[in-house]
Amino acid sequence: GAGVSQSPSNKVTEKGKDVELRCDPISGHTALYWYRQSLGQGLEFLIYFQGNSAPDKSGLPSDRFSAERTGGSVSTLTIQRTQQEDSAVYLCASSLDYIGNTIYFGEGSWLTVV
Amino acid sequence: QKEVEQDPGPLSVPEGAIVSLNCTYSNSAFQYFMWYRQYSRKGPELLMYTYSSGNKEDGRFTAQVDKSSKYISLFIRDSQPSDSATYLCAMRTGTASKLTFGTGTRLQVTL
Repeated sequence: GAGVSQSPSNKVTEKGKDVELRCDPISGHTALYWYRQSLGQGLEFLIYFQGNSAPDKSGLPSDRFSAERTGGSVSTLTIQRTQQEDSAVYLCASSLDYIGNTIYFGEGSWLTVV
Repeated sequence: QKEVEQDPGPLSVPEGAIVSLNCTYSNSAFQYFMWYRQYSRKGPELLMYTYSSGNKEDGRFTAQVDKSSKYISLFIRDSQPSDSATYLCAMRTGTASKLTFGTGTRLQVTL
């Protein structure tokens, strides 16, 4: 596609439920990133993929958060047993190479936990 | 204390004004510096990136880095209402791929 595509764009879920957020990066982009943006906060790094492997997952806030990438393309971020503090915009980004100076973001998945 | 500090604003300027947006940082290992623009309910859009100290110009935008002071700036000349958005600074070290962001400055350009 022309840009980074994320789905769902909006998700309201009940506390304790699991959610899956999907990211489809720009075709040919080898690096993929997940960030989280909470109200009034800057973007917080979650995890970085090179191809299908994740050399840096240091930003995942707890073991309730996990992510995978398959085929060097689509990535899924899973949040188990959601909590209200998980409410945020989850942004996916991709870049052509591993240098990471030109990163293109999707429009985000807006998650609300009630 | 956050690694990257950015005044959240809001900053309101009249159309045609020169805008100065700034960030300070504490990690001397940061080498690459970026500015992103984010419109409401949209993803951030890369405006410029610079390496190390110095100036870089692109149209109405100029990015400036002063590593000795750990201070970066983005100048917008002849500001337009379409420039109204949140501007985020971001930076990374030479070895890490992840970016560390400021919280963003909300800019409003009025007619």
